[in-house]
Amino acid sequence: SQKIEQNSEALNIQEGKTATLTCNYTNYSPAYLQWYRQDPGRGPVFLLLIRENEKEKRKERLKVTFDTTLKQSLFHITASQPADSATYLCALDDGFGNEKLTFGTGTRLTIIP
Amino acid sequence: EPEVTQTPSHQVTQMGQEVILRCVPISNHLYFYWYRQILGQKVEFLVSFYNNEISEKSEIFDDQFSVERPDGSNFTLKIRSTKLEDSAMYFCASSAGTSGRFGPGTRLLVL
Repeated sequence: SQKIEQNSEALNIQEGKTATLTCNYTNYSPAYLQWYRQDPGRGPVFLLLIRENEKEKRKERLKVTFDTTLKQSLFHITASQPADSATYLCALDDGFGNEKLTFGTGTRLTIIP
Repeated sequence: EPEVTQTPSHQVTQMGQEVILRCVPISNHLYFYWYRQILGQKVEFLVSFYNNEISEKSEIFDDQFSVERPDGSNFTLKIRSTKLEDSAMYFCASSAGTSGRFGPGTRLLVL
């Protein structure tokens, strides 16, 4: 069956360092992969989308890579700040052109001042 | 930037009662969704809606659930006879094609 794993439930990073979060998937052939931020009690907020034919995408201090051979995406936040503390979710479509997303369980990132 | 809005923000109901959760998607979006998140668990897909009909639904979305777009702007999720296990955050989302924009959620508590 299809499975998405975000391999760290929680990650603590010193302010100013780069935070790297991992998303692995099995039994999927997604057309694209998305990263969302979720703060406690709030809805997911879209950050970045990367398509299967793209290796890397950047937006300000965020960078996402997508390796369809390894079935893995890495999400980087450079020059991390305490305000970056949140849960980060990866989400995949089902590869059939439907828009429904399947989410990972998330990684709770804490940036320590 | 336009946002998805949801009402109410919190709803407490008795088991067996009907609830209607409301959403106003972003106006030029064509795809609408409901997701839910049980406390401490992952966000789960419930249903997608396109062109005035359900395009896909999950196993969770059984006969107790229904969706409607009654007036071209609102998008509602009805749970006919709530169960204790329906307690969760319910998120509405809309999309123009790929990335979804989520609403702030309705926290539903079934007693």
